[in-house]
Amino acid sequence: AQTVTQSQPEMSVQEAETVTLSCTYDTSENNYYLFWYKQPPSRQMILVIRQEAYKQQNATENRFSVNFQKAAKSFSLKISDSQLGDTAMYFCAFMKRSGGTSYGKLTFGQGTILTVHP
Amino acid sequence: DTEVTQTPKHLVMGMTNKKSLKCEQHMGHRAMYWYKQKAKKPPELMFVYSYEKLSINESVPSRFSPECPNSSLLNLHLHALQPEDSALYLCASSQSPDSGGRQPQHFGDGTRLSIL
Repeated sequence: AQTVTQSQPEMSVQEAETVTLSCTYDTSENNYYLFWYKQPPSRQMILVIRQEAYKQQNATENRFSVNFQKAAKSFSLKISDSQLGDTAMYFCAFMKRSGGTSYGKLTFGQGTILTVHP
Repeated sequence: DTEVTQTPKHLVMGMTNKKSLKCEQHMGHRAMYWYKQKAKKPPELMFVYSYEKLSINESVPSRFSPECPNSSLLNLHLHALQPEDSALYLCASSQSPDSGGRQPQHFGDGTRLSIL
């Protein structure tokens, strides 16, 4: 079984600054995907960024980037130039790479509440 | 705008009522999911439908009954719920059940359910 750990229940950052959210995971799988999802108070879960474990290059999406350390099983999210709209709960998630009867089951961490202050 | 539509947005029901939650997507996705989410907690997977067939039931009590009438629609029928079932119920879809992380799940806004 896989586990995902987010050790920061809450974080805050000033607008325009940079913040890093931590995530570690435990798995015996070699092929998998990692995700960061954002859930604003409006409730909809939105995919922020995705990393394929077999790719060494860290994924980036505009102001969002990850630091993926496969050996250390670490997957942190860096948000640059933080904006008020980034205020949300952020979930790190793991998915085993599909094959056979795998059905895309996501294993989530406990989440980090990020507040961006003006 | 969300591409996965859930109705109703809010639902209050008594423990003896029968109600249904509805989820609809028109992205041609063939995998659909129900999650339960308590406040400030991660979503917990309940059911997965793959090509309109139930493929995963995460040991959910029988008072929750899922149904997938067609590839675009997913229902969750509720009966004799308990107060601890009060939560946000999220629906999600993905392109296919074996697309794994290549085609991530799209989530709806959820239904906020309160059991009196």
